[in-house]
Amino acid sequence: QQQVKQSPQSLIVQKGGISIINCAYENTAFDYFPWYQQFPGKGPALLIAIRPDVSEKKEGRFTISFNKSAKQFSLHIMDSQPGDSATYFCAASIRGEYDYKLSFGAGTTVTVRA
Amino acid sequence: DTGVSQDPRHKITKRGQNVTFRCDPISEHNRLYWYRQTLGQGPEFLTYFQNEAQLEKSRLLSDRFSAERPKGSFSTLEIQRTEQGDSAMYLCASSLVAQRKLFFGSGTQLSVL
Repeated sequence: QQQVKQSPQSLIVQKGGISIINCAYENTAFDYFPWYQQFPGKGPALLIAIRPDVSEKKEGRFTISFNKSAKQFSLHIMDSQPGDSATYFCAASIRGEYDYKLSFGAGTTVTVRA
Repeated sequence: DTGVSQDPRHKITKRGQNVTFRCDPISEHNRLYWYRQTLGQGPEFLTYFQNEAQLEKSRLLSDRFSAERPKGSFSTLEIQRTEQGDSAMYLCASSLVAQRKLFFGSGTQLSVL
């Protein structure tokens, strides 16, 4: 069963616009929430990650917002560029001895129109 | 760039044949993972090695699948008696112990006809 639910499945945004992708989880043992970016023909690459002790993390144009009580987190891509067109996956893993195992969402395909 | 490399990039096989994929992790990484990704889905965990020890196998890994990591370096994933449902992208990743950032290879795309 999918432990991390991701939406939307796809989105189209104009260059310069904001892309927002949402994820929800149920397992309160999750303590690490990364976002991976995948281009066609390539493996996923870590974009940004957050732990539940902070509500927001920003790296350049990418921001993760985290709502622990709602068990939701989201990725915001500001000033979207055509080079951001890719599939984005949220993921989560639990603390402790199983910290190596990532549970991925189904992915969101982002298309940035010039 | 000494990232994770996988070979072959593409494999087409007939149902019932055996296939083997190879993964070379980043050299200093002692953790190695195999994931499977089907079209429109996120990667699914298959198995995990710490050095040469295989520490977990997912229920997705039927007894037709076997993975090895001799000497804690490269790893191989073998699928025996392939089925059409095995068609997927097989991704290898590596990391350091206690580092939760995974570095993925570009994957092996398997098509079973």
